[in-house]
Amino acid sequence: AQSVSQHNHHVILSEAASLELGCNYSYGGTVNLFWYVQYPGQHLQLLLKYFSGDPLVKGIKGFEAEFIKSKFSFNLRKPSVQWSDTAEYFCAVTGASSGSARQLTFGSGTQLTVLP
Amino acid sequence: DTGVSQDPRHKITKRGQNVTFRCDPISEHNRLYWYRQTLGQGPEFLTYFQNEAQLEKSRLLSDRFSAERPKGSFSTLEIQRTEQGDSAMYLCASNEGAAGNTIYFGEGSWLTVV
Repeated sequence: AQSVSQHNHHVILSEAASLELGCNYSYGGTVNLFWYVQYPGQHLQLLLKYFSGDPLVKGIKGFEAEFIKSKFSFNLRKPSVQWSDTAEYFCAVTGASSGSARQLTFGSGTQLTVLP
Repeated sequence: DTGVSQDPRHKITKRGQNVTFRCDPISEHNRLYWYRQTLGQGPEFLTYFQNEAQLEKSRLLSDRFSAERPKGSFSTLEIQRTEQGDSAMYLCASNEGAAGNTIYFGEGSWLTVV
């Protein structure tokens, strides 16, 4: 069964600090990887996704993530956070092959608080 | 708005009552998913449909839960004889169904069972 681990439950940073949120997954096959963000009172929104190719993917709002296959990791990074980045961040995985499960499996989320 | 819409956004019900949630996916999307999210946790998969066919159900979906998508468009999720443990956010999502297509989420329906 697939699973996702997010090691940091709550991260507090000051504005302009750099961010890295950890994500490790377990899955017996080729994967697609996602980071979603949930701002207070809003729905889950896609930040970025990895399907294949360049393991360094860039998303919206200056976020990027690196897929390291040997470490089963897909960490999210941003060089300089803003107060408006305060939100909950979810890593998710799904199978990439035609016979694999289509539903997303999510991690438990990381609450990011950015202090002004 | 052409996103995934859910109704109602909030529902408070007494234990033992039945509740029904509706989801309208993005119009061209043939796959529709239901998830449940509790405080401090990520969304957990419940079930999904391809068109009108329910293709997979999670073990989380007890026999008190039933989901339908009768015409392959909107979907309903009914919970019978609600329990306090059913209190959660119920999320609907949709996509086009091809491998790797992004899944888009609605704003969710909050259920509080008192």
